[in-house]
Amino acid sequence: DAKTTQPPSMDCAEGRAANLPCNHSTISGNEYVYWYRQIHSQGPQYIIHGLKNNETNEMASLIITEDRKSSTLILPHATLRDTAVYYCIVRALDSNYQLIWGAGTKLIIKP
Amino acid sequence: NAGVMQNPRHLVRRRGQEARLRCSPMKGHSHVYWYRQLPEEGLKFMVYLQKENIIDESGMPKERFSAEFPKEGPSILRIQQVVRGDSAAYFCASSPQGLGNTEAFFGQGTRLTVV
Repeated sequence: DAKTTQPPSMDCAEGRAANLPCNHSTISGNEYVYWYRQIHSQGPQYIIHGLKNNETNEMASLIITEDRKSSTLILPHATLRDTAVYYCIVRALDSNYQLIWGAGTKLIIKP
Repeated sequence: NAGVMQNPRHLVRRRGQEARLRCSPMKGHSHVYWYRQLPEEGLKFMVYLQKENIIDESGMPKERFSAEFPKEGPSILRIQQVVRGDSAAYFCASSPQGLGNTEAFFGQGTRLTVV
């Protein structure tokens, strides 16, 4: 079973920040939080991952709460091309290459 | 550097036929993972292979499904005697080593339709 809980869908206006929440209340100390997205009919695309510090790259920012039980993926200026299903996954570095996927959040960016 | 290449992108098979799905990992990657995705669902792990070795096939049905990653050539996922329930998108991912602190890069998938 997936170890994460995400809302099934969200809308966001183009140009605004999209904030996608993820609950992972049973996360272990050695487990990272990964985010992938899947644009319709394409393969999943890696976005970002983190352990406990906030992370930022050219695609997004990842904010992890201090107790690590939840996180938020932030797309700072959403575009129509960001419409996709976003998956939050937790896994340990030394195991779980299986990447257990939940149903994700379907993010729709509206013009 | 080409990404993970999967072919064919779309495959139609009649019930009882065989389906062969190919995956060429990224250059320098020796670890391959196969996943299956049903409509409106997340990906489900099937099998993890390194060159010439199956590391973990715990997600693969015990009958009709097999996978290989030979020393030369692409990884092959083979489904014998396909049934309608095998219709799905099959994704392959690769990484340069066991995942560790790296991400897996995914191909565009093969969409299998069994008629």
